[in-house]
Amino acid sequence: GAGVSQSPSNKVTEKGKDVELRCDPISGHTALYWYRQSLGQGLEFLIYFQGNSAPDKSGLPSDRFSAERTGGSVSTLTIQRTQQEDSAVYLCASSLVWGTDTQYFGPGTRLTVL
Amino acid sequence: AQTVTQSQPEMSVQEAETVTLSCTYDTSESNYYLFWYKQPPSRQMILVIRQEAYKQQNATENRFSVNFQKAAKSFSLKISDSQLGDTAMYFCAFMTSQGGSEKLVFGKGTKLTVNP
Repeated sequence: GAGVSQSPSNKVTEKGKDVELRCDPISGHTALYWYRQSLGQGLEFLIYFQGNSAPDKSGLPSDRFSAERTGGSVSTLTIQRTQQEDSAVYLCASSLVWGTDTQYFGPGTRLTVL
Repeated sequence: AQTVTQSQPEMSVQEAETVTLSCTYDTSESNYYLFWYKQPPSRQMILVIRQEAYKQQNATENRFSVNFQKAAKSFSLKISDSQLGDTAMYFCAFMTSQGGSEKLVFGKGTKLTVNP
């Protein structure tokens, strides 16, 4: 079946603009995760959803970052007033159930803030 | 907080040979899960192998196997009969089963190059 998909694949934006990154999890997967991969910080957890609720938002770096999930499926990560340090690859993953189930990753969105 | 350390930033191996990637972790938990993910240049993170800490038997998946030493908090990945397609970044990751936050904690990665 189809894997996790993310769009856009690449996004270039100017400092101060808002961006939205989209994630489509594997059909039927109830848990969804966002991670950020950057040269300096490696792979870091941002937020996860169980259904439409986000029990753990501890990794969001600032209040410029927010995420939502609707219908227990698609999720959107929004970054407001982007800064150059937001440049990174944003990875989404999903798992069948919440808990210690294996997470399957999408191809990521490479965000470049000029 | 849990930490994962991969001490080999880069490694190379000849095609058909065997290579071992190292990973150590730090946790006070007794039950947890360990993973190796592969990330080729396409950026897609691909699960290579998974190990449950409560299982003493080392996990294997075809040419990939792990050496899980719970007391030493070590979780190395052995790739046998290396193939050109194994060239990628390899990330070791840890997940706790407690606390209600099933996030993955990753190491910094090892860049593996398989040479023809």
